Amino acid sequence: DTGVSQDPRHKITKRGQNVTFRCDPISEHNRLYWYRQTLGQGPEFLTYFQNEAQLEKSRLLSDRFSAERPKGSFSTLEIQRTEQGDSAMYLCASSLEGSSKEAFFGQGTRLTVV
Amino acid sequence: AQSVAQPEDQVNVAEGNPLTVKCTYSVSGNPYLFWYVQYPNRGLQFLLKYITGDNLVKGSYGFEAEFNKSQTSFHLKKPSALVSDSALYFCAVRVLRPGGSYIPTFGRGTSLIVHP
Repeated sequence: DTGVSQDPRHKITKRGQNVTFRCDPISEHNRLYWYRQTLGQGPEFLTYFQNEAQLEKSRLLSDRFSAERPKGSFSTLEIQRTEQGDSAMYLCASSLEGSSKEAFFGQGTRLTVV
Repeated sequence: AQSVAQPEDQVNVAEGNPLTVKCTYSVSGNPYLFWYVQYPNRGLQFLLKYITGDNLVKGSYGFEAEFNKSQTSFHLKKPSALVSDSALYFCAVRVLRPGGSYIPTFGRGTSLIVHP
């Protein structure tokens, strides 16, 4: 399978714990995006990497959120001190460079904070 | 403000009938528009895009979309709906972010229900 893969698919955590998600993009894609999706809503942009550089961060990305993409390959999204409001589907997508290029999405990581 | 809107939360259509899922946008400059489909507990799958050229764009699974610059719309269409088309459909437009990057921005989604 050469698509975008995300791990884990599901995560249940207690409030206050830290969680980390991983995304492996399509290998030749140098752009990587993280989105958050809650029930009944479209994906909301969180952050964007071009290669290893984090070029955009949404105001949704509070100080408790951090994302990395070392060496421009896989990416991790960490949430510290989770809150119940963090419960959502976290989607990763990747694309080739160029504004006309479509993004390809992984299946997402569903986070439940109890 | 740059944005994309899907005015209908839900569209119901009988199998075999044509379907339309609406999308309107507001961006500065030329828009890059996309349609995606999402099945339950899955990520989004790309259907089609408009960059430039012909206003009627053909995509996957028999879907097509019509770009209308004067109405700032990009409606998704299919001549004959299938029950298996039932899913969530998202319209997206590339939006210029404060950092200078163009990022896909999504509408709220439209639930398409095709009745047998």
